[in-house]
Parts: sequence; structure tokens; C-alpha cells
Amino acid sequence: QVQLVESGGGVVQPGGSLRLSCAASGFTFSSYGMHWVRQAPGKGLEWVAFIRYDGSNKYYADSVKGRFTISRDNSKNTLYLQMNSLRAEDTAVYYCAKGGIYARPLDYWGQGTLVTVSS
Amino acid sequence: SYVLTQPPSVSVAPGQTARITCGGNNIGSKSVHWYQQKPGQAPVLVVYDDSDRPSGIPERFSGSNSGNTATLTISRVEAGDEADYYCQVWDSSSDHYVFGTGTKVTVL
Repeated sequence: QVQLVESGGGVVQPGGSLRLSCAASGFTFSSYGMHWVRQAPGKGLEWVAFIRYDGSNKYYADSVKGRFTISRDNSKNTLYLQMNSLRAEDTAVYYCAKGGIYARPLDYWGQGTLVTVSS
Repeated sequence: SYVLTQPPSVSVAPGQTARITCGGNNIGSKSVHWYQQKPGQAPVLVVYDDSDRPSGIPERFSGSNSGNTATLTISRVEAGDEADYYCQVWDSSSDHYVFGTGTKVTVL
């Protein structure tokens, strides 16, 4: 069965950096696009970033573009999100999700990892 | 940027039908997906490509999409359907994935 397990969350000061990881299993990781989606406390879902199956294309929400970088290591079945210049408004649970290409749905989600940006 | 608008809340009695709308400019031309999220849990895909159901999702969940409105319909509502529901599309003009504002379904 498909499993996605996020890690790397924690408390970081404003302006700091953090790298999230998402370990995937139960499917051919190298054949699927992957997403990061976040949810601030008590708020709705916000899409953050997408990477194609081969890493050739990456898309970002305007709110994180230039600060966050999505990447993947298909040899390790792992997705990453490098977050720099963190702000208080980046505080959220970050989910990784399995996608496809372009209009395909996010059909499996991890349980999420909490990132808190606070001094 | 593309915006998807949902009603903040919908209340329904057990056994009745809940309808959740998702409004967007010409949304009928896009593939709409719907997610269910219960408190403290990750979202779960319940309808994709406007009206298809993933395996394991009850037939009580159905969807439609036309014009400027997509709709998720939950028939014969049960207490376990109480959750937040989000619509989602891919906006090809910006290469952005967009979620709706979310609807809290309360079973009376």
C-alpha cells in the first residue's frame, strides 16, 4: 500500500531555514509527480509546490517562490522541501502528496509534519 | 490568479442529502477533484475528474461540474461524513494547483 511519511518539522526562528523530507513506498516513486501542501492552524489547504516525476519541471505558489525549493531523489524514493527565509506565516502542517501530471488529483497524502516559525 | 469559492458551512440531517458547491470562472472546462478532511487527519480524495470515485469511497459520494459551478453531493448522509471538504483544480494558465476555501459539513 502507498505510504508517505514526512519528517523534518520543528520550531525555527524567523529568517531561518528548514528541510522537510517525505519517504515514499508502495508505488513506483520515479513515475509520479509529487506535491507539498500546507495548512496553517485552523485554516484551509494551500498548495505549495509540485515536481514532475523526473524533476524536470517544478512549480511554486507565489507565496513561497524564491524562498522554497522542491526536489527529489528517485534513487532514495524521497521528496524534499528546502525552506529558507522563513516567516511567521509559513507556520503550518506540511503534507506531501502523490500526484501525477498536471491536472491529475493528489490521490495519496502523508500525515504531515508541523513547522512553527517563532522567535 | 484562479479562485475557487465554497460556502463556509453546510448542515444536514442524517439520511438526507448534502450538496457542496465550488464556484470558479468557467470551472466546467477543468477537472475538479474533491477531498475530505476529518479533524487531526490528512485529506482523503473522495471524487476525482468531476465525478469519478477512488476505490473504497462509497457510492453515496458523487460529483458534477458545469458552467461556473462544480458540486459534491453526499447522499444518505451519515455521522461519519462530518468533515471539511475541499475542491481543487489545476490552473493551466499559471501552472498552479488551486484549492477551494473549504466547507465544513455538520451532521445535525
